[in-house]
Order: sequence, then C-alpha cells, then structure tokens
Amino acid sequence: EDKVVQSPLSLVVHEGDTVTLNCSYEVTNFRSLLWYKQEKKAPTFLFMLTSSGIEKKSGRLSSILDKKELFSILNITATQTGDSAIYLCALTSGTYKYIFGTGTRLKVLA
Amino acid sequence: EAQVTQNPRYLITVTGKKLTVTCSQNMNHEYMSWYRQDPGLGLRQIYYSMNVEVTDKGDVPEGYKVSRKEKRNFPLILESPSPNQTSLYFCASSSDSSGGYTFGSGTRLTVV
Repeated sequence: EDKVVQSPLSLVVHEGDTVTLNCSYEVTNFRSLLWYKQEKKAPTFLFMLTSSGIEKKSGRLSSILDKKELFSILNITATQTGDSAIYLCALTSGTYKYIFGTGTRLKVLA
Repeated sequence: EAQVTQNPRYLITVTGKKLTVTCSQNMNHEYMSWYRQDPGLGLRQIYYSMNVEVTDKGDVPEGYKVSRKEKRNFPLILESPSPNQTSLYFCASSSDSSGGYTFGSGTRLTVV
C-alpha cells in the first residue's frame, strides 16, 4: 500500500532560522511527489518533483527528491512569520490515487 | 480567474438527511478529487475522477457517492449522513492525475 510519512510533526523556530522538513514514502509505481502549504484555508501547491537530484526552487523555498532512498526534503531559508503553516507532502502513483501525509506544522516566532 | 468553486462553505444537517456538496472548476481539468480533512488524520481521498463518467474510490469512500456527468462538475453526495462524517471537505482539480492541485475553499460539514 502506498504511504507517505512526514517528520517532524511540528516545529517551532525563530525568524531567520533555516528549516528542513522531511517526507518519506513507499510506493509501488511512483509518478510524482508534491509539496503544499496550508494556512488557515485550502492547501496551495508549491512544488512537483519527478526526478531524483533536481532541485526545485522558489524564493526561499527549495525541494529535492531522492528516489533511491525514497524521500524528499523541503527547505525554507531565512524563515519569516508568514511561513507559519502546515506543510503537506503528497504522492501520486500508478493507481491514480493521490495521497497526502499528515503534514508538518511549522510555527515561526518573531 | 482560474478556480474551483465549492458550495456550501458551511453546512449543519441532521443524521440521515441526504445532502449534496457541489464542486465546479473552470480550468478544463480532467482529474478531480474529493478529500476530507480531520485532525491528526490529514487529507484523505474519498473519490477521484479521471474524466467524464470515470470515477473510482479513494481510501475512505464509505458513505459517499460521486458523479461526473460534465467535465467541470464533480458533486459529492451523502445519501444518509452520520455524525462520523462531520469533517472539513475539499474538492480539488488538476490537469492530470500526477500534477499540482487547485483546491476549492472547503466545506465545513457538521452532522448532528
């Protein structure tokens, strides 16, 4: 059964810190791994990763996938209070299901 | 504006009274899904649709029905709601089954 596990469950940091969020997975027929940010409403899409070792970057956020070790990381540098949110990792596979991990709750203190 | 529109935003209903949550997207997306989000359990997929007239069960389909008669609409039907279906529901769409979703604003459903 396809599975996504995120760690840590929650994290509290101070503004300016760098954080690394982890997503490990088990899948029968990998298609893509995706990251989302959820504030007090619906999740918003951040990145889609399909190939190992290729970094996706958007401003202070970046992400990379390791298909051999079956994990991805999401890095946020120079964190700001606006980065406080739940970060969700999702997996798509040959079953056409689209499954999410339970998320990492990040709180950035001023 | 590209969007997924869900209605209603909030709904309180009684056990056993049939209800429908509507979902419509204006992006010509083929893949649409329904999720429920519960504390500690995250987003769980209820049903998904690959295209018109093509639907399949997600991980928690019991007690729900869907239909996809038109590409833009994907309603979620609860024939006989029960209190354990109290949850936050999201509809989402994507151009394909492996791409980034656009989510609706969510429907907070309470069944008493």
